[in-house]
Amino acid sequence: SAVISQKPSRDICQRGTSLTIQCQVDSQVTMMFWYRQQPGQSLTLIATANQGSEATYESGFVIDKFPISRPNLTFSTLTVSNMSPEDSSIYLCSTGWGVDQPQHFGDGTRLSIL
Amino acid sequence: KQEVTQIPAALSVPEGENLVLNCSFTDSAIYNLQWFRQDPGKGLTSLLLIQSSQREQTSGRLNASLDKSSGRSTLYIAASQPGDSATYLCAVRTQGAQKLVFGQGTRLTINP
Repeated sequence: SAVISQKPSRDICQRGTSLTIQCQVDSQVTMMFWYRQQPGQSLTLIATANQGSEATYESGFVIDKFPISRPNLTFSTLTVSNMSPEDSSIYLCSTGWGVDQPQHFGDGTRLSIL
Repeated sequence: KQEVTQIPAALSVPEGENLVLNCSFTDSAIYNLQWFRQDPGKGLTSLLLIQSSQREQTSGRLNASLDKSSGRSTLYIAASQPGDSATYLCAVRTQGAQKLVFGQGTRLTINP
């Protein structure tokens, strides 16, 4: 299975600031996914990131708030912009090697906004 | 729109019992279904993946079944142990989509 590394593992941020989360995969992948898990809730997909093209955002998520980069086939970043307490969540990076293969997740970034 | 439901939301059983976790989904046109485990403050660990053409998958003490026509899956855990305590999530991949749609999870506690 894939090794997916996320940084930082956790952070406490001030309202109005931005944080960039990094996701590194140990082999090349076509698609990388960013999910959000709000406290006590399940996972919701934010966007899908393909290398060389703009990320595809799910309903309720916009690029200005969650800009994503995908500079190569092993790396992606998610920025949470202009943070408010409602952004306090776990953010998880995920990937897989085809629709018939398991999807794997990083350990997540636990974000708290004061 | 695909919706995934897991029942119960929480379950507490004594060590050694066999148990079943349930997952249901509204759109039977799925590509596959995946069960995950999540420990507190951690990411997700993949447990089992069942393709839409399969009826069940087994890994050690875990057995997952799939009845696509009725929109149901179960995760059977045999001879439960305290180390099995975690939140268990099921997720479906709808045909034509790469993304997963998750249930709310079942928080399982195994009491020594």
